[in-house]
Amino acid sequence: QVQLQESGPGLVKPSETLSLTCAVSGYYISSGYYWGWIRQPPGKGLEWIGYMYHTGNTDYNPSLKSRVTISVDTSKNQFSLRLRSVTAADTAIYYCARREAYCTGGSCNSVWFDPWGQGTLVTVSS
Amino acid sequence: SYELTQSPSVSVSPGQTVSITCSGEKLGDKYVCWYQQKPGQSPVLVIYKDTKRPSGIPERFSGSNSGNTATLTISGTQSMDEADYYCQTWDSSTVFFGGGTKLTVL
Repeated sequence: QVQLQESGPGLVKPSETLSLTCAVSGYYISSGYYWGWIRQPPGKGLEWIGYMYHTGNTDYNPSLKSRVTISVDTSKNQFSLRLRSVTAADTAIYYCARREAYCTGGSCNSVWFDPWGQGTLVTVSS
Repeated sequence: SYELTQSPSVSVSPGQTVSITCSGEKLGDKYVCWYQQKPGQSPVLVIYKDTKRPSGIPERFSGSNSGNTATLTISGTQSMDEADYYCQTWDSSTVFFGGGTKLTVL
């Protein structure tokens, strides 16, 4: 059974960099799948941040792309999120998740996230 | 960009059937999945590829997608189904979520 667990600072100062790690158990990241991040501001809806394949392929939300980096560490079986130049608008619960997809003929036409980590609240405040 | 629209809230009596809709331009040409999120918990996948149920999800959850609207239907709704429900699709390598629908079981 695949399990994901987020970790990282719960408080980040404005203009600094938010850094989170997601530890994966029950599956080797290097075996496949994309691994991603989704966030949810308190009391609001879900927002996709991005995901990454263990070989380095990435896709990011265009609205966050200029500030986001997702990386994978297969030796530790974990992946990470870095979000630069944060503001109060980046305050949210951050979830990591495994991306699954339906692909035919070398192209994919459906993706979904399963399972999800428990989430970690990151507050941006001085 | 692409927008998915959900009604903010819907209510249902226990044992009844409820439909939660998600609308978007030509949404029927894309695949849709649905997540259930209970207070203080992570989202859980309940439907993927429009109509598929992951293992462990009760048969009372079903999905459809046609035209501009995808629908999550819960038959014989139980009090444990009270939650927020989010639709999600994927287009041009970008993931889009609907705003969520709060389901109240009265």
